[in-house]
Amino acid sequence: QKEVEQDPGPLSVPEGAIVSLNCTYSNSAFQYFMWYRQYSRKGPELLMYTYSSGNKEDGRFTAQVDKSSKYISLFIRDSQPSDSATYLCAMPAGGTSYGKLTFGQGTILTVHP
Amino acid sequence: DTAVSQTPKYLVTQMGNDKSIKCEQNLGHDTMYWYKQDSKKFLKIMFSYNNKELIINETVPNRFSPKSPDKAHLNLHINSLELGDSAVYFCASSPSGDTQYFGPGTRLTVL
Repeated sequence: QKEVEQDPGPLSVPEGAIVSLNCTYSNSAFQYFMWYRQYSRKGPELLMYTYSSGNKEDGRFTAQVDKSSKYISLFIRDSQPSDSATYLCAMPAGGTSYGKLTFGQGTILTVHP
Repeated sequence: DTAVSQTPKYLVTQMGNDKSIKCEQNLGHDTMYWYKQDSKKFLKIMFSYNNKELIINETVPNRFSPKSPDKAHLNLHINSLELGDSAVYFCASSPSGDTQYFGPGTRLTVL
């Protein structure tokens, strides 16, 4: 079993839709949770970073963490064609591991006009 | 100014050759990484250096050898390239170990 599981999709939605992206994890040591966005032929860029259980909002993006279920989500409201990208969840091991990030497989999202 | 840069952007080579990929960051970060992203977009850490010292070395063949001449540079040398080495290689840097900033990637194709 992989430490981090993410549905690879692909996911295709119309412009304006609410998008829900999800990851599950098995390692209880994970305390920080990140979402990266990767456009085609580019490097991943950090989108959101959360620590505690609950919701964190940034514009049209909301990251949700449920540590009891080992489940994290990223919601995108009013999705735009410019949101079309691969979204990767990532979790650092923490401690003295100098940020060894474990990534999910990534979900490919296409928002069509 | 590009924060994390990699050269070359594309690399096409024959099996058995030796090649290098260079990475430079101008963010003043202490920690740098190499990741490999396969054709299914799965991103996996290979190495991590902190202040020029090797910190993380995942299960990577000995043919891969990272070198950090200084804090701002982390190069990756690959000997005896194999077909399975074809992938996109990303360099990243981090100030604290958690938030990582990625370069644009080097697309390696081994023929």
